[in-house]
Amino acid sequence: QQQVKQSPQSLIVQKGGISIINCAYENTAFDYFPWYQQFPGKGPALLIAIRPDVSEKKEGRFTISFNKSAKQFSLHIMDSQPGDSATYFCAAGDSDGQNFVFGPGTRLSVLP
Amino acid sequence: ETGVTQSPTHLIKTRGQQVTLRCSSQSGHNTVSWYQQALGQGPQFIFQYYREEENGRGNFPPRFSGLQFPNYSSELNVNALELDDSALYLCASNAGGIAYEQYFGPGTRLTVT
Repeated sequence: QQQVKQSPQSLIVQKGGISIINCAYENTAFDYFPWYQQFPGKGPALLIAIRPDVSEKKEGRFTISFNKSAKQFSLHIMDSQPGDSATYFCAAGDSDGQNFVFGPGTRLSVLP
Repeated sequence: ETGVTQSPTHLIKTRGQQVTLRCSSQSGHNTVSWYQQALGQGPQFIFQYYREEENGRGNFPPRFSGLQFPNYSSELNVNALELDDSALYLCASNAGGIAYEQYFGPGTRLTVT
């Protein structure tokens, strides 16, 4: 019940295209859903996060869509750029802050 | 770049040895969490410290222990190292006693031979 599933495992997108990564969770106690970007040799960097009281949040080229009833959320990267090539992790946390679970990651490659 | 720093950057230890990893949290943050990230996998939560007390723990054995100091810096100690402990160890800090809006350090790469 603590698991967060993430797909696809890897993704190749042309420059200017839309990258879409999907995640699903089971624990209904989760109420914070962030996305992290990680470059090789670096720690994860917080990109954008959403709470279950909204269905969508947009920050620049990054959008989170959230479906509470389906227990699913996704990251959309508009106008994908080669600099976006990295590994992306979804995560989920609960109000106690004692459960914070990451998905297995998606390796995104944006071709020039 | 976040204000979270970790030392050392890389470390090589032998099975059975003990290791201490260090983390300085971002200014203003009083909560530190530690994660283990095996190659090609997502980070796994080890434990969290809030105001010098352990505030939550993941599925890791007791040989993984930690400390948080009055300046909110933190240590991760691992005893009786095993080959499977080879991983990137990440610390993350945030303000408040919850794991929201965590900011990660660059990690310490531990290799156990």
